[in-house]
Amino acid sequence: QQQVKQSPQSLIVQKGGISIINCAYENTAFDYFPWYQQFPGKGPALLIAIRPDVSEKKEGRFTISFNKSAKQFSLHIMDSQPGDSATYFCAASSRSGGFKTIFGAGTRLFVKA
Amino acid sequence: DADVTQTPRNRITKTGKRIMLECSQTKGHDRMYWYRQDPGLGLRLIYYSFDVKDINKGEISDGYSVSRQAQAKFSLSLESAIPNQTALYFCATSVTSNEQFFGPGTRLTVL
Repeated sequence: QQQVKQSPQSLIVQKGGISIINCAYENTAFDYFPWYQQFPGKGPALLIAIRPDVSEKKEGRFTISFNKSAKQFSLHIMDSQPGDSATYFCAASSRSGGFKTIFGAGTRLFVKA
Repeated sequence: DADVTQTPRNRITKTGKRIMLECSQTKGHDRMYWYRQDPGLGLRLIYYSFDVKDINKGEISDGYSVSRQAQAKFSLSLESAIPNQTALYFCATSVTSNEQFFGPGTRLTVL
């Protein structure tokens, strides 16, 4: 299975709150799990990424939590700000899959001021 | 200047017309990709190219063709556009297939 399932489709969070977006995958050959952030009218841009040999990666207010046994990973945005309002895509790729990247369906995040 | 550029940014066309979307990059990357984005479906891979002589179909290549004219240029063609090809199209580049760098997108409407 090549799918990457992402939830929720949309999310509204108060300023200062924690935003959590979840993804699940089936293909155990995936070895790179990026998150992309897309603002309206722009192309997606890499936000943060993780490999399955670690369970967590943090960059500023953004943290990826990775559960290899459950085949799930999530993005946590701490102290969410209105400027974080964007669409977020999780993704996965593998060397054995020819390095093709499979994207989740996306989550539209709105942070209320 | 943008590293990955796409032209046109917006296009409205009619069913049956031939359309070409162009992508140019100044990043010097060998790998280039074409995706389409639809609400609720995320980004789906149409075609990808790992160098000028290498072209590969993605998951939704039917109705599309591509041309890799040079390392820096990768064009997507719709030979006979149909309404369900209305979407946002993105070109991307990469060195390996880890981080991809996306262009600003082309919004295509087929009437």
